Amino acid sequence: QVELVQSGSELKKPGASVKVSCKASGYSFTRYGMHWVRQAPGQGLEWLGWINTHTGNPEYAQDFTGRFVFSLDTSVRTAYLQISSLKTEDTAVYYCARNIAAAGAMGPGWLDSWGQGTLVTVSS
Amino acid sequence: DTQMTQSPSSLSASVGDRVTITCRASQIVVSYLNWYQQRPGTAPKLLIYGATSLQSGVPPRFSGTGSGTDFTLTISSLQPEDSATYYCQQSYNTPYTFGQGTKLEIK
Repeated sequence: QVELVQSGSELKKPGASVKVSCKASGYSFTRYGMHWVRQAPGQGLEWLGWINTHTGNPEYAQDFTGRFVFSLDTSVRTAYLQISSLKTEDTAVYYCARNIAAAGAMGPGWLDSWGQGTLVTVSS
Repeated sequence: DTQMTQSPSSLSASVGDRVTITCRASQIVVSYLNWYQQRPGTAPKLLIYGATSLQSGVPPRFSGTGSGTDFTLTISSLQPEDSATYYCQQSYNTPYTFGQGTKLEIK
């Protein structure tokens, strides 16, 4: 069955960096886009962007350009989210999610499988 | 960006009730509208995709309607396990955007 397993919780100081991993199993990793979504404490869902797992090309939401970087290691079926220059307002649960395209391999669609989430806490 | 507005923000209903949540997009998203359920402390779960299609394994009491800019999620007979927050999301264009969520409480 499809499974996305994320790395564990992180506690970081402002200005530090963090790298969250998302390991996929149960499907062909490079056939589906991988999206990233975050949820601040008590808040709603916020889309960060996605990465084309076939080409490695990322796309970022406007508010997440610069400090946020998506990457892949297809040899181990893993997607990564790296956040640099952490701010206290980056404190959130970060989710990876697989996108099923409505038509075409990497087109728009829906997020059918989600990782369990990784809590990143930024505090001095 | 396409803004998604859900209503109500919260509601309370009894077991067996019929519940409807609405979602309006600020521009046309055709049928690229998805609904997710999130229970506290867990990841979101896909319920409905393409505005009307039921995700595999989701009980048939959940249904979705709409196209263009106006959409609804209906739970035909509320069950205790339906207590959760529900989010709509458009995927017609990037950035994918979510509604603010509707918190559903069981009386």
